[in-house]
Amino acid sequence: AQSVAQPEDQVNVAEGNPLTVKCTYSVSGNPYLFWYVQYPNRGLQFLLKYITGDNLVKGSYGFEAEFNKSQTSFHLKKPSALVSDSALYFCAVRDLWNRDDKIIFGKGTRLHILP
Amino acid sequence: AAGVIQSPRHLIKEKRETATLKCYPIPRHDTVYWYQQGPGQDPQFLISFYEKMQSDKGSIPDRFSAQQFSDYHSELNMSSLELGDSALYFCASSPRRGEPNEKLFFGSGTQLSVL
Repeated sequence: AQSVAQPEDQVNVAEGNPLTVKCTYSVSGNPYLFWYVQYPNRGLQFLLKYITGDNLVKGSYGFEAEFNKSQTSFHLKKPSALVSDSALYFCAVRDLWNRDDKIIFGKGTRLHILP
Repeated sequence: AAGVIQSPRHLIKEKRETATLKCYPIPRHDTVYWYQQGPGQDPQFLISFYEKMQSDKGSIPDRFSAQQFSDYHSELNMSSLELGDSALYFCASSPRRGEPNEKLFFGSGTQLSVL
């Protein structure tokens, strides 16, 4: 069964600095990988995904993520953080090998951007 | 653009009562997912439907059931409610599986409080 690990409960970054939110995954076959962001009392909003192709994926709001198959990682990055980026970020995976429908989410990482 | 619509937004029930949550997917999306998110928790996959048939099942209690109707809307029925069922219930829809534009679009959720 697929699983996702986000090793950091919280990440603090000063505004203007680069940010990284870590994610590693485990699947039987090839993964679909996603990043979602959640603001308080709101649904999850799609940021970006990796299915195939270039390992560096660009998404919404200036975020990007790098797929690393050997390290089974899909870290979320942004070159220059904004205070408005403060939110809860979820990494998610779907296992194509099992042809499962379900997309499994990590525990989430709370990102605090300090002014 | 149309989004995923969930109703009601808030629901208060007492223990042992029943509740029905509704989800209206984005037009032409044929897959619906239900997730449960407890306070401070990651979204837990409950169940999904593809073309009105159950396509995958997660950690959904036997007290819960769900279905997808001919107009693709879905309902999550919850019986014998327990205090631990208090959570935010998200519905998400997705276009056809495996297509390049596959991703989940989330509704704003139904906040269920069991007293």
